[in-house]
Formats: sequence, C-alpha cells, structure tokens
Amino acid sequence: GAVVSQHPSWVICKSGTSVKIECRSLDFQATTMFWYRQFPKQSLMLMATSNEGSKATYEQGVEKDKFLINHASLTLSTLTVTSAHPEDSSFYICSAGAGGLKPQHFGDGTRLSIL
Amino acid sequence: AQSVTQPDIHITVSEGASLELRCNYSYGATPYLFWYVQSPGQGLQLLLKYFSGDTLVQGIKGFEAEFKRSQSSFNLRKPSVHWSDAAEYFCAVGANNNNDMRFGAGTRLTVKP
Repeated sequence: GAVVSQHPSWVICKSGTSVKIECRSLDFQATTMFWYRQFPKQSLMLMATSNEGSKATYEQGVEKDKFLINHASLTLSTLTVTSAHPEDSSFYICSAGAGGLKPQHFGDGTRLSIL
Repeated sequence: AQSVTQPDIHITVSEGASLELRCNYSYGATPYLFWYVQSPGQGLQLLLKYFSGDTLVQGIKGFEAEFKRSQSSFNLRKPSVHWSDAAEYFCAVGANNNNDMRFGAGTRLTVKP
C-alpha cells in the first residue's frame, strides 16, 4: 500500500527554536499534502492544505507566518514551526493524497515538545 | 461544510464480543466516508472507505461499515473483537474529491480480556 514517511517522529527543543518536519510520499506522487494538529485525546484538526508548486491554503485561525509550509516536489512537503513556544507543543500529522478518489495516506506523526 | 459526529467517546467491550462504533455525518451532497484507526503515538491507518456502490463496505482486519443515507450514518462493525483492536477510531467525511476531509472526535476502544 501507499506509504507516507514523516520525520522526525519526536523532537524536543527550546522555546524560540524553529523546527522543520518533513513529509514524504515514498511510492506515489502526492499532488496534495495535508498538515494536521492533534491535541491529547482529541481529533485531528486540519491546519493547511498544500499543492505542489503553489502556496498552501491555511485553515481559519492558523497563522501562516508561524507554520510555514513548503511543497517543493510531488513527494515532499515540509512544515516549519517558527520561533516555537510551549503552546505549540502537539502531535503533528501529515497526509498525502494522489488526487481523485484515492484516499489520503497518513504519516506516523511528529511529537513536538517545546521546553 | 461537512461535519462528523461520533457520539461515543469511549467504549469498552470484552474480547470476542461484537463491536459497533457509531458515526453520523452532515453533508449536502454524496459524501466520501472513511474509518481510520490510530494506535497511541502513531499516525492513522485506513480501515475502509465508501465512495459509491454497495453500501456495505468491507475493510481490513475484519472490519466492515454500512452507509445508510436515510440515517446519515456510517457505523463501523466487527463481529468478534481482538485485544489488538484496542485503539482510537476516527470517522471522517470528505467533500468533492476527498481533498477536504473532516474528522470526528474519535472513539477510544478498550478491550477487556
């Protein structure tokens, strides 16, 4: 089946640091990639949708200057949490879709802890 | 916009018992419906999906779900639960070509020995 690799799986860093999370589709071309945030014991909240070669579309309430998304190729999207603070600590999950009726495939998530 | 409701936050069943997880959706057109499972600290794994056709959908790990348009429901079932099924289950509805997906709050399944 389709595989999406997300890296790193866990990161701990100091407040004020910028953190980059990578999402790769390993065996298919992902025309669209999605970034979700999940708080403990809660559902996934869509943060943004990115299409290869164009600007990401952010959901209401998500700061685009805080969460920078780059989708430079059909197999790679990155999420950079800039100047991270403790309230940014969360579980971030990416997914990739090949378009049409093909379902999204999810990465294993990144647990971000800001001290 | 589409939305999903999972009425049960937590369900406990005995191993070997049958399981039904409820999911209700709201969407004006024909929905694309999904069930995902998430183990602690992991991403989401697709169990099954409904796009069109037969309203009873078979998935992996012995799960099935039935789309009932009249009830706006897409309940997940399994005839005999295994201890390894303990996890968080999310129902999701997609609009258009499923690029706009919304998730329910999730149902946590505990399996008693």
